[in-house]
Amino acid sequence: SAVISQKPSRDICQRGTSLTIQCQVDSQVTMMFWYRQQPGQSLTLIATANQGSEATYESGFVIDKFPISRPNLTFSTLTVSNMSPEDSSIYLCSVDTYNEQFFGPGTRLTVL
Amino acid sequence: AQSVTQLGSHVSVSEGALVLLRCNYSSSVPPYLFWYVQYPNQGLQLLLKYTTGATLVKGINGFEAEFKKSETSFHLTKPSAHMSDAAEYFCAVSNTNAGKSTFGDGTTLTVKP
Repeated sequence: SAVISQKPSRDICQRGTSLTIQCQVDSQVTMMFWYRQQPGQSLTLIATANQGSEATYESGFVIDKFPISRPNLTFSTLTVSNMSPEDSSIYLCSVDTYNEQFFGPGTRLTVL
Repeated sequence: AQSVTQLGSHVSVSEGALVLLRCNYSSSVPPYLFWYVQYPNQGLQLLLKYTTGATLVKGINGFEAEFKKSETSFHLTKPSAHMSDAAEYFCAVSNTNAGKSTFGDGTTLTVKP
């Protein structure tokens, strides 16, 4: 299995600021995914991050709001920019390896 | 396009009773289907998945699910509920073996003593 860690595990931020979430995997993976889970709701895919190319964003998500980096095969970051209370969610990193999808523990973000 | 509908946002059963969580999907290609469990303040854990082959899939913790193409369903069952089964359960569909899944809204399972 793949072990995924995320930093920070939780944060409380002021509106208008930005937060960068880190995702580290214990093995090299081709694709990494970023999901958002808003309070009481299901997971929604934000974007797919491939190493060496720009991330692919799903409908409703844009690079200016959620810039993603993928500098190598074990690491990715997601930045939530110019935050508003509506961005309060759990953000999860996920990888596709060993013919299975693994999820990180999530970053719980609260925007005041 | 793919979609998942989980019937019943909340299901409550007594300890020892049958657990049945319903999931219907829509997919324009042969689907890969997944069930995940999420315990409070924890990440998602894969319970089981259907890719190809046998339509009855057995997972961890005594759960199983049956892929029924004619009904576009992938319901999750467990013969006897345990208190530790109380959690949020998500059904998901993908057009690949893993990754980029579409999730249902989730079902909260409560187990009463």
